[in-house]
Amino acid sequence: EPEVTQTPSHQVTQMGQEVILRCVPISNHLYFYWYRQILGQKVEFLVSFYNNEISEKSEIFDDQFSVERPDGSNFTLKIRSTKLEDSAMYFCASSEDGRGEQFFGPGTRLTVL
Amino acid sequence: DQQVKQNSPSLSVQEGRISILNCDYTNSMFDYFLWYKKYPAEGPTFLISISSIKDKNEDGRFTVFLNKSAKHLSLHIVPSQPGDSAVYFCAASSGTYKYIFGTGTRLKVLA
Repeated sequence: EPEVTQTPSHQVTQMGQEVILRCVPISNHLYFYWYRQILGQKVEFLVSFYNNEISEKSEIFDDQFSVERPDGSNFTLKIRSTKLEDSAMYFCASSEDGRGEQFFGPGTRLTVL
Repeated sequence: DQQVKQNSPSLSVQEGRISILNCDYTNSMFDYFLWYKKYPAEGPTFLISISSIKDKNEDGRFTVFLNKSAKHLSLHIVPSQPGDSAVYFCAASSGTYKYIFGTGTRLKVLA
């Protein structure tokens, strides 16, 4: 069964450093998303991406964040200068259309020290 | 911003009995709802969805009911199995790509 994959599973970084989280969505899906979950809190939408551009973003997704689809298979989330409060699980998701179910990857745990 | 609420943080049910997980929402523009199950250290797994044009959707042991006038949906799991023990999230969308998630309910099915 096709699945969304994410690397790395755990990333530890120093405050102020840049991190890139990587995702490989399901191959025939056209819509891609990033969500995050701070420990003990709910899953929060960050951004959606379609046709090589951002289609929607939340207030969390400020200028420190960017997304890219550098090739036909990868989808990345970059955090330019990490802050302590960026520590969270980051989930990538993809969907075949923009309204239906979104399939999530296993997540990357980001720890900012 | 608590547009989607799951007021029960946890629920315990005996194996074989029905589990009922509830979700309330405040935004009347929400028109598509999803339920996800999440195990520790894994991503959410899609379970079942419902569009606002329906009031019920069934898939095997899982049934979702939608009451638009009450802005309430529920997930029924019958019969409950120990493998169903997980955190369950409802999520809602209003014609956009973005889903708003509830805070989750931890279900424990006792053998």
